[in-house]
Amino acid sequence: EVQLVESGGGLVQPGGSLRLSCAASGFTFSIYYMAWVRQAPGKGLERVANIKQNENEKGYVDSVKGRFTISRDNAKNSLYLQMNSLRAEDTAVYYCARETSYYGYFDYWGQGTLVTVSS
Amino acid sequence: DIQMTQSPSSLSASVGDRVTITCRASQSINNYLTWYQQKPGNAPKLLIYAASSLQRGVPSRFSGNGSGTDFTLTISSLQPEDFATYYCQQSYSAPRTFGQGTKVEIK
Repeated sequence: EVQLVESGGGLVQPGGSLRLSCAASGFTFSIYYMAWVRQAPGKGLERVANIKQNENEKGYVDSVKGRFTISRDNAKNSLYLQMNSLRAEDTAVYYCARETSYYGYFDYWGQGTLVTVSS
Repeated sequence: DIQMTQSPSSLSASVGDRVTITCRASQSINNYLTWYQQKPGNAPKLLIYAASSLQRGVPSRFSGNGSGTDFTLTISSLQPEDFATYYCQQSYSAPRTFGQGTKVEIK
């Protein structure tokens, strides 16, 4: 059974940093694209970042470029999102998602972790 | 970035109704269109990919259609468990973008 379990969310002040983690199991992690998708309270979905299997290609939404860094450790079956210079508008539930390489959709999602940026 | 526009933003329907949700892309995306269902407090769930392919385990009352810029998600006979918010997503080009969502409520 595919499982994605996020951790690392919490309350952080504006300008602060947070590192999210996603532990994957039930599939061969190293052969899949992975992504972070967020959802602000009461709002829609936004793909924040994605990463190819061997980390040689990463993509970011414009609003987080230069502030967020996606990475992965295939030996640990883990995905990460380092978030720096956080802003109030980054407040959201952050989902880890498995992305198919041939059609680019997200077939499995974690339960999400809440990040709140507030003073 | 490709903009995805869903209509309507919300709708009220009764159990047994046929419901159709529309998604329009700002440029052609061939059939790189996916539909998700999200219930409150839960992660999105994949329903349909490649515009019309039903994900394994999804009831056959869900169907998708379209190509190019215009797409539809149809629920042939609405069931109580189908009341949720539905999102479309394009994967034709980066960044992957979603529609704003369509909330299906009980009439």
